[in-house]
Amino acid sequence: AQSVTQLDSHVSVSEGTPVLLRCNYSSSYSPSLFWYVQHPNKGLQLLLKYTSAATLVKGINGFEAEFKKSETSFHLTKPSAHMSDAAEYFCVVSEGGSTLGRLYFGRGTQLTVWP
Amino acid sequence: SQTIHQWPATLVQPVGSPLSLECTVEGTSNPNLYWYRQAAGRGLQLLFYSVGIGQISSEVPQNLSASRPQDRQFILSSKKLLLSDSGFYLCAWSVLPPGTANTDTQYFGPGTRLTVL
Repeated sequence: AQSVTQLDSHVSVSEGTPVLLRCNYSSSYSPSLFWYVQHPNKGLQLLLKYTSAATLVKGINGFEAEFKKSETSFHLTKPSAHMSDAAEYFCVVSEGGSTLGRLYFGRGTQLTVWP
Repeated sequence: SQTIHQWPATLVQPVGSPLSLECTVEGTSNPNLYWYRQAAGRGLQLLFYSVGIGQISSEVPQNLSASRPQDRQFILSSKKLLLSDSGFYLCAWSVLPPGTANTDTQYFGPGTRLTVL
């Protein structure tokens, strides 16, 4: 069975400091993993995607994530936070090879960026 | 390029009234389509998905229904709204056929904020 745990419901950082949003997953198959970002009252935007290629995945807006199979983790990082990064972030795992690309969502991490 | 539209953007409805939310996708053919609900303080819940016209699968029992009258149109409906139907409704699409080795990526619309009073 697939599941996703986002270890922090809220993360606060100062502008210009690094961002770390943590995610652990469980999957019965070789998983595909995603990070999405959601700004208030907006839809979800895909940040990046891992599908068994390079373990370090680079996404949009300077974000990247590293797939660590031994730790079942897929943490999202950014070297320097911007005010515009303030949003909610969702870690998502998908059933690889299933008849439908069903997504399993974490509960989200709210990122606050202080000036 | 592909785009996904949802309307209305916001909706306030009384308990017991009907509901119709619409989602359309442009720039692609035969997409998989999905309806999700995001309630306050909770994650996203998959409500319905469709792999083709007239083909609807329901994930959870509820008083909502979905229809796909055209290839790129997905409609979420209710005959009588409940207070618990309040939430943020998101439509999503993907294009990789089911059963392929690589998991497809889902792309989300802007959402509809529904408040039932």
